[in-house]
Amino acid sequence: EAGVAQSPRYKIIEKRQSVAFWCNPISGHATLYWYQQILGQGPKLLIQFQNNGVVDDSQLPKDRFSAERLKGVDSTLKIQPAKLEDSAVYLCASSLLAGYEQYFGPGTRLTVT
Amino acid sequence: AQSVTQLDSQVPVFEEAPVELRCNYSSSVSVYLFWYVQYPNQGLQLLLKYLSGSTLVKGINGFEAEFNKSQTSFHLRKPSVHISDTAEYFCAVILNNAGNMLTFGGGTRLMVKP
Repeated sequence: EAGVAQSPRYKIIEKRQSVAFWCNPISGHATLYWYQQILGQGPKLLIQFQNNGVVDDSQLPKDRFSAERLKGVDSTLKIQPAKLEDSAVYLCASSLLAGYEQYFGPGTRLTVT
Repeated sequence: AQSVTQLDSQVPVFEEAPVELRCNYSSSVSVYLFWYVQYPNQGLQLLLKYLSGSTLVKGINGFEAEFNKSQTSFHLRKPSVHISDTAEYFCAVILNNAGNMLTFGGGTRLMVKP
């Protein structure tokens, strides 16, 4: 069974530029999550989708971050414009349903200079 | 509000020695508890979880953890570590009445020395 796929694995941009990350969850998983992991900290949930609907985006900085999961399968997380403090690893996870075990992708390491 | 505290940011230990990674949580309601491992440049992998039942939980790679409700702790243990156990370990909780929003601790870096 293929795991959660993410791309790109690494991205370096200058502040005020925009960037997008892509995630393809495990086939059949209805729930998809995006986490931000700042160096030296644990992951923090940014947004949770159930199929193509948003369940929780209370910790998403909506002035610059956006995410979508239009067809209820893969998802895109965008940052526009990026700030220095957005430098982090962005992890995508999926689960069969909400409340089930979450499976994590390898992450995208973003560096904002 | 719930929070998770991992008291040790780094734990150095020699190979084949026992290890305990500490985790405490603050919550007034029932919780689900998890330990994840993160190897360099990889995502998180579930080691073990406590949902209900026996307070001693066994996971993969020889790890186990014990849920202690009175002390609000969920410490991770392994009787004999290997070099390959070197990684970052995260404790996480879910309030059982709040969907499945995982809240992670700050992580503990386990460094196994030969």
